Amino acid sequence: GNSVTQMEGPVTLSEEAFLTINCTYTATGYPSLFWYVQYPGEGLQLLLKATKADDKGSNKGFEATYRKETTSFHLEKGSVQVSDSAVYFCALSPNSGGYQKVTFGIGTKLQVIP
Amino acid sequence: DGGITQSPKYLFRKEGQNVTLSCEQNLNHDAMYWYRQDPGQGLRLIYYSQIVNDFQKGDIAEGYSVSREKKESFPLTVTSAQKNPTAFYLCASSTRGQLNTYEQYFGPGTRLTVT
Repeated sequence: GNSVTQMEGPVTLSEEAFLTINCTYTATGYPSLFWYVQYPGEGLQLLLKATKADDKGSNKGFEATYRKETTSFHLEKGSVQVSDSAVYFCALSPNSGGYQKVTFGIGTKLQVIP
Repeated sequence: DGGITQSPKYLFRKEGQNVTLSCEQNLNHDAMYWYRQDPGQGLRLIYYSQIVNDFQKGDIAEGYSVSREKKESFPLTVTSAQKNPTAFYLCASSTRGQLNTYEQYFGPGTRLTVT
């Protein structure tokens, strides 16, 4: 079946540090890939997405590149802020006929300290 | 504004009582979902519905029930049969996008505490 693997964290960084949160996946075919962000006590918000190999999704200074050869979709940001503290979920949606459920990773908690 | 609303945000119940969580969307999405979130376990799918008057069990449906009488609404009932009901419950909706991609939009969640 499909799966998404990401570290649980917490990842603790100082403000303005570089962020990488790793995400690797297992799926047949060519799934679409997503990063969602969840702030404390809230629902998930779509942060960025990529629908085919070598696509780069970007939003609010975050970016991730769909790497088919390494089955990865790592999230990066050049300079984090305290307001980026949240839980980040990697997810995939299979793109093969009929409905198949979205698979989420376990979520990685990011703590940014001033 | 288009979006998903869940009410209430916090809900407290005594053990042995059924409780219904509300989920409404005005995004005109066909599909709706219920997830449960526990610390360290990510999101687990309870039920989903692709169309009105139809729904399917997800990975952890035992002790839960749903209905989908209207496109906009997908209420979740947590029954007394659910052994560990205390959790954060998230509702989501989606439409089928390009390449058969299901991009989900989430509500703000309901935190249920059963004592």
